[in-house]
Parts: sequence; C-alpha cells; structure tokens
Amino acid sequence: AQRVTQPEKLLSVFKGAPVELKCNYSYSGSPELFWYVQYSRQRLQLLLRHISRESIKGFTADLNKGETSFHLKKPFAQEEDSAMYYCAPAISNYQLIWGAGTKLIIKP
Amino acid sequence: DAGVIQSPRHEVTEMGQEVTLRCKPISGHDYLFWYRQTMMRGLELLIYFNNNVPIDDSGMPEDRFSAKMPNASFSTLKIQPSEPRDSAVYFCASSFGTVRDTQYFGPGTRLTVL
Repeated sequence: AQRVTQPEKLLSVFKGAPVELKCNYSYSGSPELFWYVQYSRQRLQLLLRHISRESIKGFTADLNKGETSFHLKKPFAQEEDSAMYYCAPAISNYQLIWGAGTKLIIKP
Repeated sequence: DAGVIQSPRHEVTEMGQEVTLRCKPISGHDYLFWYRQTMMRGLELLIYFNNNVPIDDSGMPEDRFSAKMPNASFSTLKIQPSEPRDSAVYFCASSFGTVRDTQYFGPGTRLTVL
C-alpha cells in the first residue's frame, strides 16, 4: 500500500542550526513529491515541489529514489521557520497522500 | 482574491445533530478537495470533485458523511447524524488542473461534537 512516513512528530533545533525533516515513501512508481507547510494561524500552503528543483525560504528537498526519501533541509534555521510541515507524494494525477506531519520548533 | 472560503470557522454541536460545512473554491479552479485533520490520523482526503463531479469518495468514513458540489463555486460536506469521533478540523482545498498543481487550502472548520 502507498504510504508516506514522517518519523519525527516534533523536531526542535536552535536558531542557526541545520534542519532536516525526514520523509520516506513507499510507492512503486515515481511520484511527484511536495512539501506543504502550515504556519501558526495561517493556511496550509505549498512550500516546494520536487519537479521545480527550487529553493524556497532557504529550504531544499532532494529526492533519493534508492532510499525512497524526500527529506527537507535548510542549512541555517530561523525562528520564522517554526511551523507544521507535511510531506505529500502525488500517487496519481488526482491524489496526494499525506504524511502525519512534523512540528518544527526553532528555539532562539 | 480571498482564496478558498470555508464556513463556519467553528462549529459546536451535540451528538446526533446534522452538521453542514460549506466551501467556496477559488474561481476558475476545477478540482475541489475535502480533508479531515485529527491528531491521531493526520490529514486524510475524504472526497474530491472535478468539474463539480465527485471522482473519488473512498475516503468518506461512513454513510453518515455526504458531499455535494451543485455548482463550480460551492460545495458542502454534511454529517448526519454527527458523533463525537467526528470532531476534527475539516479543510477544503481547490486547484486548477491535476493534483500536480498547487492545492490552495481554506482556513478550515473546527468541528466539536459533544
């Protein structure tokens, strides 16, 4: 069955430290992968997508097909990065499957 | 553009009552999604529509749940009768094109069933 795992429910790091939010998926195909973010009192919104190979707010995500992972990374965390992060592979043209989310807390 | 609009933002009801959640997608978007978010299960897709037609409702938990989209600018999610385990945040999202396009989420409706 298709599944996405975000092993850390909560991740707490100090400001300026590197951040890595893990995401592993089980899917036989080559899904397109997304990271969505929900800041406090804001709507869930797209952070970045794999196909765009982009860096948004200093975050990047590398697809490792061998490990079926799509970890989200940022070299230097900032306080405004505190939020809930969801990894979401697209398993078809019509459906995303969602991880349980990781709450990231950046300590001053 | 106000984005996806959901109402009400908060709903408290008693077990057995009917609950109707409402959603107005972004104009021009042809996909509409209903999600439920709980601490235990995270974010779950309940149902989605394409051009007002329900495409996949396999995520709808029980017959007590029903969703309609009578036109391109309005959708409802109804729970009848409601139960305490239905307490959750319900999100509506819309997108233009396939799921590979960005989904825009509404602010959510926090439902509490006593």
